[in-house]
Amino acid sequence: GDSVTQMEGPVTLSEEAFLTINCTYTATGYPSLFWYVQYPGEGLQLLLKATKADDKGSNKGFEATYRKETTSFHLEKGSVQVSDSAVYFCALSELDFGNEKLTFGTGTRLTIIP
Amino acid sequence: EAGVVQSPRYKIIEKKQPVAFWCNPISGHNTLYWYRQNLGQGPELLIRYENEEAVDDSQLPKDRFSAERLKGVDSTLKIQPAELGDSAVYLCASSDPGGGRAKNIQYFGAGTRLSVL
Repeated sequence: GDSVTQMEGPVTLSEEAFLTINCTYTATGYPSLFWYVQYPGEGLQLLLKATKADDKGSNKGFEATYRKETTSFHLEKGSVQVSDSAVYFCALSELDFGNEKLTFGTGTRLTIIP
Repeated sequence: EAGVVQSPRYKIIEKKQPVAFWCNPISGHNTLYWYRQNLGQGPELLIRYENEEAVDDSQLPKDRFSAERLKGVDSTLKIQPAELGDSAVYLCASSDPGGGRAKNIQYFGAGTRLSVL
């Protein structure tokens, strides 16, 4: 079945550091890929997405490129802020008998120190 | 526009007691999902509704879990009786499949954190 493997946390960085959170996937078809973010006490929010190979999703300074050859969708940000502290989930969505089905990774907790 | 609303935010019960969670999706969203998120894990789908019809309940433990979505809007998820292992965050999400696959984004509520003692 489909699966998502992401970098285990927790990850702690200093403000303005470069961030990479690795994500790889296994899927039988051609999934869409997502990064969701969960701030403390809140629900998951869509951060960015990519629907086909070589697409780059971007939002709030975060970027991720859909790499079919390496089955990866790594999340990057050039300069992190304290407000980026949250849990980040990589996910894929594939049609399952006509229904969109989201499969999540286990999440990576990110803490940014001033 | 209001997001997905869930209540209660927190619930503490003793094992073998019943518990219910409520979800109000984004207006106009026909598809509603219930997920369970165990500590340190990603959400896992329990059930998916298209309007009032449950189209995917394959992961719902039907011996103790039940769900309904009367009139195709609000939904409730019930556990009876609760067990210690049911302690988790229960998330509701909704989406609008109209507009093609690229726009079929799931929007999540803040969740209900259940503690079973």
